[in-house]
Amino acid sequence: ETGVTQSPTHLIKTRGQQVTLRCSSQSGHNTVSWYQQALGQGPQFIFQYYREEENGRGNFPPRFSGLQFPNYSSELNVNALELDDSALYLCASSWDRGNTEAFFGQGTRLTVV
Amino acid sequence: GDSVTQMEGPVTLSEEAFLTINCTYTATGYPSLFWYVQYPGEGLQLLLKATKADDKGSNKGFEATYRKETTSFHLEKGSVQVSDSAVYFCALSDLGGSARQLTFGSGTQLTVLP
Repeated sequence: ETGVTQSPTHLIKTRGQQVTLRCSSQSGHNTVSWYQQALGQGPQFIFQYYREEENGRGNFPPRFSGLQFPNYSSELNVNALELDDSALYLCASSWDRGNTEAFFGQGTRLTVV
Repeated sequence: GDSVTQMEGPVTLSEEAFLTINCTYTATGYPSLFWYVQYPGEGLQLLLKATKADDKGSNKGFEATYRKETTSFHLEKGSVQVSDSAVYFCALSDLGGSARQLTFGSGTQLTVLP
């Protein structure tokens, strides 16, 4: 059973650019959630995807968007990058949207310069 | 809205010392409670969880009891090891609409010295 994997592990982008981060869910999981973790802070919920549909969203602007594919892998897209978007982005998968246990990937460290 | 407040760090202990990290929460519903651990350069690992009042979660010598009357979920370990050095996050999971999202505290950095 493979765990949650994210790519890339590190990324540097320039302000105003767009970025796509990728996540492969743990085998058998149909729900993916994305979190933003700023340095020294706890993760903040961005949104959740369940069976290819957005299923809930935190307090993030529309320039944060996502996709979930039929194999339940997922992408997080961020447009018009700002310096404050620099953070560790974490993907978590669970076997169902109502399930209490989420399994996290190792994260993608995004630096915006 | 939901929120989690945890003891500020950093916390530095000697090996074999007793550990307590305080965590209190505010939630409108009946949340599940979690402790996650984050080692340097890694993602989050679930350490333990409790899904209803008076439940005790335990794992690897760590324990926490879901106290509804005090809205608390304090993390304890009787004898810490150097390998326990990490950042610990208290979190709650509530059903916001149809999505179970995790709300995290700000984390407590633990350093255990040999």
